[in-house]
Amino acid sequence: EAQVTQNPRYLITVTGKKLTVTCSQNMNHEYMSWYRQDPGLGLRQIYYSMNVEVTDKGDVPEGYKVSRKEKRNFPLILESPSPNQTSLYFCASTGVGIRYTFGSGTRLTVV
Amino acid sequence: KQEVTQIPAALSVPEGENLVLNCSFTDSAIYNLQWFRQDPGKGLTSLLLIQSSQREQTSGRLNASLDKSSGRSTLYIAASQPGDSATYLCAVGISNYQLIWGAGTKLIIKP
Repeated sequence: EAQVTQNPRYLITVTGKKLTVTCSQNMNHEYMSWYRQDPGLGLRQIYYSMNVEVTDKGDVPEGYKVSRKEKRNFPLILESPSPNQTSLYFCASTGVGIRYTFGSGTRLTVV
Repeated sequence: KQEVTQIPAALSVPEGENLVLNCSFTDSAIYNLQWFRQDPGKGLTSLLLIQSSQREQTSGRLNASLDKSSGRSTLYIAASQPGDSATYLCAVGISNYQLIWGAGTKLIIKP
């Protein structure tokens, strides 16, 4: 089944403890992206990647890192999480002229 | 700068009605337009993708139209069902990969 897999689905962590949210797609898509969704603010793009080793900042990149060492994987790294990064995170992938596929989301709480 | 607006923000209708959700955008130079559905706390599902050269797309009870000259798209849902209750998001593609998102219309179908 064609899909984007995110892990974990839920995560509660403490301020400053480094964490990684994994994202993997099995559709050989070139483009992958991370979004966060907050009430009243909608979807905001954090980082995106056009292909392996090609990444760029979205609208809200502060406090996040990404890497794209393989085409299928695009992990989101929070080096020192803070409470304002509490949010619902989505990974997505697509190719030219085709629909986006989103992961099921990761609900992160930073206390 | 492209801006995407969805009206209304919320809509509640009885089961069985046909309904229209609206999406407007400010710049007619678009690559494509997608309609997504999001269930509470869940990921986004792409419903329809309309390429810039197309006027409409249909999938089952859903029909989406695109009028670039007027900066509008509509999502028509025929014979609405309670299972159609969700938030519907419009996203305009400004390149092969990048999307500008509307804030969504929360739809409630009353049995």
